[in-house]
Amino acid sequence: SQQGEEDPQALSIQEGENATMNCSYKTSINNLQWYRQNSGRGLVHLILIRSNEREKHSGRLRVTLDTSKKSSSLLITASRAADTASYFCATDGGLTGGGNKLTFGTGTQLKVEL
Amino acid sequence: EAQVTQNPRYLITVTGKKLTVTCSQNMNHEYMSWYRQDPGLGLRQIYYSMNVEVTDKGDVPEGYKVSRKEKRNFPLILESPSPNQTSLYFCASSRTAPTSYYNSPLHFGNGTRLTVT
Repeated sequence: SQQGEEDPQALSIQEGENATMNCSYKTSINNLQWYRQNSGRGLVHLILIRSNEREKHSGRLRVTLDTSKKSSSLLITASRAADTASYFCATDGGLTGGGNKLTFGTGTQLKVEL
Repeated sequence: EAQVTQNPRYLITVTGKKLTVTCSQNMNHEYMSWYRQDPGLGLRQIYYSMNVEVTDKGDVPEGYKVSRKEKRNFPLILESPSPNQTSLYFCASSRTAPTSYYNSPLHFGNGTRLTVT
């Protein structure tokens, strides 16, 4: 079953604009991670935020986490054409363990146009 | 270079012909996992392994087998492939299990695109 659900499914912006993607999940978590996937390639880890953190930055990436709403957002500032990819959130199972696995959402396809 | 290596990258086979997709990591990671990715369904976990000789089912284990005889290798075996196993497969590894509070991120291979006719 899918734990994380990203929104929107697809996003198209101009280079230089900011891109915001949202993730909602269902159960408690220890941490939430964001990954990027270029077309047909393996996923690449971007950032991890723990359940006791509310915001985290890494370069042009900003992630927020609201455990009361069971949601997270990924903001990419000053987007570039090279940011064109699919973005996935992934959650663990928190206190329930979730079977020692990360559960991925269905992803947001981001297209950054010149 | 730290990496997860999957082989082959592309595979076309016929129904019922046993096949193995290999996965190897050079990071001494304890945790390894197989996912399949299908349009509209995202990534779904097939099997995972916490360490050598320790494996467990994920969300969609039917029709698949795995083994973890060595820490670095985690092959995925399809004993009798069927067309519904046509998919993009990813192997991934991490230093610790994802549910550990101090977990480390997953490192993914570049994928194996399997077509079963």
